[in-house]
Amino acid sequence: KAGVTQTPRYLIKTRGQQVTLSCSPISGHRSVSWYQQTPGQGLQFLFEYFSETQRNKGNFPGRFSGRQFSNSRSEMNVSTLELGDSALYLCASSALGGTNTEAFFGQGTRLTVV
Amino acid sequence: TQLLEQSPQFLSIQEGENLTVYCNSSSVFSSLQWYRQEPGEGPVLLVTVVTGGEVKKLKRLTFQFGDARKDSSLHITAAQPGDTGLYLCAGRRAGNQFYFGTGTSLTVIP
Repeated sequence: KAGVTQTPRYLIKTRGQQVTLSCSPISGHRSVSWYQQTPGQGLQFLFEYFSETQRNKGNFPGRFSGRQFSNSRSEMNVSTLELGDSALYLCASSALGGTNTEAFFGQGTRLTVV
Repeated sequence: TQLLEQSPQFLSIQEGENLTVYCNSSSVFSSLQWYRQEPGEGPVLLVTVVTGGEVKKLKRLTFQFGDARKDSSLHITAAQPGDTGLYLCAGRRAGNQFYFGTGTSLTVIP
């Protein structure tokens, strides 16, 4: 079956703009998590959605938000972009979200803020 | 503060050598995953370990979960250039949240 699909793959935005990233999970997976990856900070957890509800949230400012649709597809929005938001944004999907459930990652969206 | 610390952070070895990467924490995890990531791509799941003391082998890779489920190791035998990449451990706790390690960047020189 198809893997996790993230769009777009690459994005260049100007400081102050807003951006929306999309993630389509593996068919049948209901949990979608978002991560920010930078060389200095590694993989940082943003939030997790399960059945259209945000279930967990990391330590990021309110400029970072997300949502999940009834078909489990998820979007992540970043408003008022800052240079420090430049990063690889990764989405991971998992099935029922149990404690031993594995997460599968998409290829990521490379966001560059100039 | 990272919940999971990996060591070493960087490793450069010759083809054919053996190596071990460590993933340590003071917290207990219900399961632990190891991923390998290549530049510009998402992490790819290698293995999941669940039981304390569990050992799993994947060809030349051997993964071990500590008895107390707080740490893990990845051992690669006879490393090859194709093993080059960023190795990440990720521990899962209650609430389905993953905590990622700091990563080990491995370069295998032909």
